[in-house]
Amino acid sequence: DGGITQSPKYLFRKEGQNVTLSCEQNLNHDAMYWYRQDPGQGLRLIYYSQIVNDFQKGDIAEGYSVSREKKESFPLTVTSAQKNPTAFYLCASTGTEDFNEQFFGPGTRLTVL
Amino acid sequence: RKEVEQDPGPFNVPEGATVAFNCTYSNSASQSFFWYRQDCRKEPKLLMSVYSSGNEDGRFTAQLNRASQYISLLIRDSKLSDSATYLCVVNAGNNRKLIWGLGTSLGVNP
Repeated sequence: DGGITQSPKYLFRKEGQNVTLSCEQNLNHDAMYWYRQDPGQGLRLIYYSQIVNDFQKGDIAEGYSVSREKKESFPLTVTSAQKNPTAFYLCASTGTEDFNEQFFGPGTRLTVL
Repeated sequence: RKEVEQDPGPFNVPEGATVAFNCTYSNSASQSFFWYRQDCRKEPKLLMSVYSSGNEDGRFTAQLNRASQYISLLIRDSKLSDSATYLCVVNAGNNRKLIWGLGTSLGVNP
C-alpha cells in the first residue's frame, strides 16, 4: 500500500536533547512538508522540500533542521534551540499531478520533559 | 487580515441537520482550494477539492466564489460520524505551499 509513514507515534525527550522525527513516503511524490500543530491551533509550516537536495524554510523554521537526501525521506530534527518543542508534528507530501493536494502521515506526538 | 479565515465554532447540531461552513481567503492568486477533515488527535484527511463550478460528493457540497474570495462547505443530513474539525485550505499562489485555516469544530448530537 502506498502512503506516508512517520515514526514513532509518541516520543518523549528530555529538555536540551536533539531529536529526529522520521518521515518516509512511497508515493513517488516530489514535494514533502513538515507541519507543527498545537492544541486548538492550525497547522504551521516548518520546512518544505520541492525536490531532492533542496528545501525551504516555512513560517516557523527556527530551532528545526531538515535534510532531503532521498526522494522518499524527509527527516526533521528538533534541536535544543527550539523553545517550545512539545507539539504534534505532521509530515505531508504532494505529487506533481495532484493540484497541490497534500497527503499526511499519522503524525508524531513529541513531549519534551 | 488572516490569509485564511474560518468561524471556529463550535457548531453543535442534531443528527439529520444541515450545516454550512464558510471560509474567506486573502490571496487573489490562489488557484487550489480544499476542505480537509481532522478527527481529534489524528492527521488531516482530504474531504474534497473545491472547483470553480462547485462540486458535490454525496451529502457534501463545496462552493467557490472567486470574486468574493469565499469558499463554503454544506453538509446535509448530518451523521454522528461527521463530528470533527473541518479545515479550509488554500494554495499560496504559484508555489506549492498551502495556507491552512484554524478549522471549524462540528459536533453532531443524537
